[in-house]
Amino acid sequence: QVQLQQSGPGLVRPSQTLSLTCVISGDSVSDNRAAWNWIRQSPSGGLEWLGRTYYRSQWYNDYAESVKSRITIDPDTSKNQFSLHLNSVTSDDAAVYFCARDWGVSVSFFDSWGQGTLVTVSS
Amino acid sequence: DIQMTQSPSTLAASVGDRVTITCRASQSISSWLAWYQQKPGKAPKLLIYKASILESGVPSRFSGSGSGTEFTLTISSLQPDDFATYYCQQYNFYVTFGGGTKVEIK
Repeated sequence: QVQLQQSGPGLVRPSQTLSLTCVISGDSVSDNRAAWNWIRQSPSGGLEWLGRTYYRSQWYNDYAESVKSRITIDPDTSKNQFSLHLNSVTSDDAAVYFCARDWGVSVSFFDSWGQGTLVTVSS
Repeated sequence: DIQMTQSPSTLAASVGDRVTITCRASQSISSWLAWYQQKPGKAPKLLIYKASILESGVPSRFSGSGSGTEFTLTISSLQPDDFATYYCQQYNFYVTFGGGTKVEIK
């Protein structure tokens, strides 16, 4: 049974970079069937997929158009984890952030989720 | 972008009721649709994928149907543990979620 454990700061200053990490147990970040995603939920409840990283003989990323210019998701095989980096944050980036697993070459449905991290953007 | 519209946004029901939630896509998504249940302070939980396939461990009172642009999630007999918010999600082209349906106690 896969478990995803998130960590990272809950407070980020405007214009700075938001960085969160998701540690995987029960699966491998290099699993060539799985993909590793970040999704956020706004204070009003709306869910937004941000992007993912996955390994298929080499590493790939898919990113949502809305954040494509500001986002990086990268794997760390030595620690079996993956991280989200979102730069130039504004108050619009305040949300609960989740990591999650999906399957396949194209992004699909999410069968395992992290516990969520509430991120506040404030000076 | 594919827009997903759920209705109703809020639903009041009693234990034992049959509950139906609708999700409409702005264009055809074939059967590439998932349903999730979320409780306050928790991550969403996958219930159904590919429109009608029940995730392992999910009670059989949950069912999904539809294809193309119109989909439904049905709870055949609402249980106390089912009061939550439900979201649909398309994955035909990237991912978008519906706005959610909150199922409240009547």
